[in-house]
Amino acid sequence: QVQFVQSGAEVRKPGASVTISCKSSGYKFSEYNIHWVRQAPGQTLEWVGWIDSGNGNTKYSEKFQGRVIMTTDKSTTTVYMDLSSLQREDTAVYYCARMVGGLADFFHPWGQGTVVTVSS
Amino acid sequence: DIQMTQSPSSLSASVGDRVTITCRASQNILRKLNWYQQKTGEAPKLLVFAASNLQSGVPSRFSGSGSGTDFTLTINSLQPEDAATYYCQQSYTTVTFGGGTKVEI
Repeated sequence: QVQFVQSGAEVRKPGASVTISCKSSGYKFSEYNIHWVRQAPGQTLEWVGWIDSGNGNTKYSEKFQGRVIMTTDKSTTTVYMDLSSLQREDTAVYYCARMVGGLADFFHPWGQGTVVTVSS
Repeated sequence: DIQMTQSPSSLSASVGDRVTITCRASQNILRKLNWYQQKTGEAPKLLVFAASNLQSGVPSRFSGSGSGTDFTLTINSLQPEDAATYYCQQSYTTVTFGGGTKVEI
């Protein structure tokens, strides 16, 4: 079955960077875009951006432009998200998810989430 | 960005009740609206896509309806395992989510 396994929890100081990985399995990697969505404690879901797993094209939310970089490693079917210049407000659970197109573009399935804590 | 407004933000209901959650878009999004269920400590799970299509494996007590700007998620005969937060998401333009509706039983 289609599955995403994300890397473990991270703790960073303000101003630092973090890299989260999302390893996929169960489908043809290059055929779907992978999105990143985050959720701050007690808050709703917030879209961060996406990467085309086939050609590496990316699109980021304006909010994160200049601070986020998404990449892929086709050999290991893994997607990475780098987030730099971290602030306390970046404390959140970060999810990767596959976007399935058609009648409506929806996310299915999701990774289990990676907790990122930014604290001095 | 398209704003998605969910109501209510929380509700309490009993087992067997019928529950309705609404989601309103700030502009016409046709039927490009999806619903997710998120239980505490878990990732969101797709329930309904394209406004009214039930995802495979989702119990038939869940249903979605609507088009344009107004959408509804209905849970018929609420079960204890339905305690969760429910989110709508539009895909007409850059993805945005509603604020969530917490369902307590």
